[in-house]
Amino acid sequence: QQQVKQSPQSLIVQKGGIPIINCAYENTAFDYFPWYQQFPGKGPALLIAIRPDVSEKKEGRFTISFNKSAKQFSLHIMDSQPGDSATYFCAASKSLLTGKLIFGQGTTLQVKP
Amino acid sequence: NAGVTQTPKFRVLKTGQSMTLLCAQDMNHEYMYWYRQDPGMGLRLIHYSVGEGTTAKGEVPDGYNVSRLKKQNFLLGLESAAPSQTSVYFCASALGKKVTGQPQHFGDGTRLSIL
Repeated sequence: QQQVKQSPQSLIVQKGGIPIINCAYENTAFDYFPWYQQFPGKGPALLIAIRPDVSEKKEGRFTISFNKSAKQFSLHIMDSQPGDSATYFCAASKSLLTGKLIFGQGTTLQVKP
Repeated sequence: NAGVTQTPKFRVLKTGQSMTLLCAQDMNHEYMYWYRQDPGMGLRLIHYSVGEGTTAKGEVPDGYNVSRLKKQNFLLGLESAAPSQTSVYFCASALGKKVTGQPQHFGDGTRLSIL
């Protein structure tokens, strides 16, 4: 129940395409769902986050879609660029007292020019 | 403003050796975390701390110890390194103060190889 399952493991798209990365969870107590972006040789950095009372959130070219009943959420990258090539992690949190995150397995995205 | 700084960036150890990884943050954050990152497994929490002088176990604590003697520093120790501990280790910090939905700020990692 503590797991967050992420797919696909890797993804290749052409510039301008819309890659979609999916995550699923079991624990209904999760109340915060962030996405992190990681470039090679760097630590992950927060990209965008959503709470379960909202079905969609957009920040620039990045959109999270959230389906509470299905216990799934996904990241969409509009008009993808080669600079978006990175590893993306979804995560979930339920602990106000500790801020602990449970991470998905990660998706390596390559955007071809 | 450096954020989260990890020392060292790279290290090679022999089986059975010990070492300490240092994490320092200059954001006055309450919460700090140590993760390991392995291919196909995401980031797994080793230990964490919600304040100076406090530590707790995460998902994969075996073989590691931690200390948080000063608010800005979080140390991760390997007492007797094993090849299974070859990984990239990340430290992160968050504001804390019982506010949900805070971002975690990560360092750039320590790449550790155990031979």
